[in-house]
Formats: sequence, C-alpha cells, structure tokens
Amino acid sequence: NAGVTQTPKFQVLKTGQSMTLQCAQDMNHNSMYWYRQDPGMGLRLIYYSASEGTTDKGEVPNGYNVSRLNKREFSLRLESAAPSQTSVYFCASELREGSEKLFFGSGTQLSVL
Amino acid sequence: AQTVTQSQPEMSVQEAETVTLSCTYDTSENNYYLFWYKQPPSRQMILVIRQEAYKQQNATENRFSVNFQKAAKSFSLKISDSQLGDTAMYFCAFTILHKGGSEKLVFGKGTKLTVNP
Repeated sequence: NAGVTQTPKFQVLKTGQSMTLQCAQDMNHNSMYWYRQDPGMGLRLIYYSASEGTTDKGEVPNGYNVSRLNKREFSLRLESAAPSQTSVYFCASELREGSEKLFFGSGTQLSVL
Repeated sequence: AQTVTQSQPEMSVQEAETVTLSCTYDTSENNYYLFWYKQPPSRQMILVIRQEAYKQQNATENRFSVNFQKAAKSFSLKISDSQLGDTAMYFCAFTILHKGGSEKLVFGKGTKLTVNP
C-alpha cells in the first residue's frame, strides 16, 4: 500500500517554464489537497478537491492550476514558473472532506531560477 | 480569519527528558479539531495527535500528550522521555467543523525540535 505518491521529488525550473506536479493515492480517498511549505511559513493550501470532479481555491492559488483527473490523481500545474514559487509542495488526501486525518505525500522540492 | 501561533521557532531537549511545545489559536467557532503533525528530516508529514474541541479530556498517544485549554485557546504538546527520533519540525494545526463537513486545515509556522544525546 503506497499511500500518497508524488512525482517528481526534486525539480529545477527556469523562470517562465511550465511543469506539472503529479499526485496519486491508492486509498480510495475522496478529498485531495495541494499545499506549499516555505521556511517560517508553515503549510499553506493552494487548491483542493473535495471529491472527484470538483476543485476549489485555497489560500494561495495564484499562479497555479489543478486537475482532478480521476479519483486517484490530482495534479498541480505551474504555467509560467516564477522564483516566488520556489517551495516544497505537498499533496495530501483524506477519506472524505472533514474526516480529519490527512495522509501526506513525501513532497516535491521545486526551485525556480 | 483563523490563525495558529507557535511562539517557539526552535527548541532543544536532552534525550530522556520532557519538553513542551506551545501553540495558541484564534477562532470564534466552538466546534473544531486540533492537531500536532511531526515532520522529520525525511520531509514526511506524520500525524502525532488529535484533539476534539468538545472533549474535555486531553488526548494522549504513548509518550505524546496535549494540554488543551479551550478558554485560553491553547494547545500545547508534551513529549515525555524524548528520543533522538523525535528530532523534527512540529506543526500545530486546526480545522473548523461545520454541519456539511469542515474547513481546511490551518497550520502554524512550526517549531524545530532537536533532541540531544
């Protein structure tokens, strides 16, 4: 049972490049989330998907788009990367919105030069 | 807006001793959950302990316990018999409960705990 799997683990981009962070969970969870973690800032919610077919903005959505491809997969896309998007990105899932136990992936370290 | 404050950016403790990490939060709501997450150097986020606001009894999980003071909006984490493997960032977080579900987790900025041999 792999839990929540994120790819890639590390990525370096140049300003203006685009990329997609992939996330998949094998726990049959309904809700999925993308957070970013910056030094001294804790984790901040970018986007979430309460269930398959729905997505909503979180606290810091600007510069990102998401796709809930199916129940298992929730991707995060940076269309034109900026240095301010240098961060560690975490995907998380929970059985249903409000079940109060998040399962996290191992994170993606992204550097934008 | 709901906020979570962890006033100790860094702490250290000797192996086998007890340490307490502080957390305060601000909300006007009455129904919510509180959490402590651990993030070791591996970067993995691990749920340590959870407390329901409607429960007066403090939650415990083996060496980890909380001191939940609802009126003071305080939620501290006590780690007893500290072990080297407890070295990690610790995040306090909470979520508001509604009839239809909950709001999203709000995290504090974290406390970096180092356990010294």
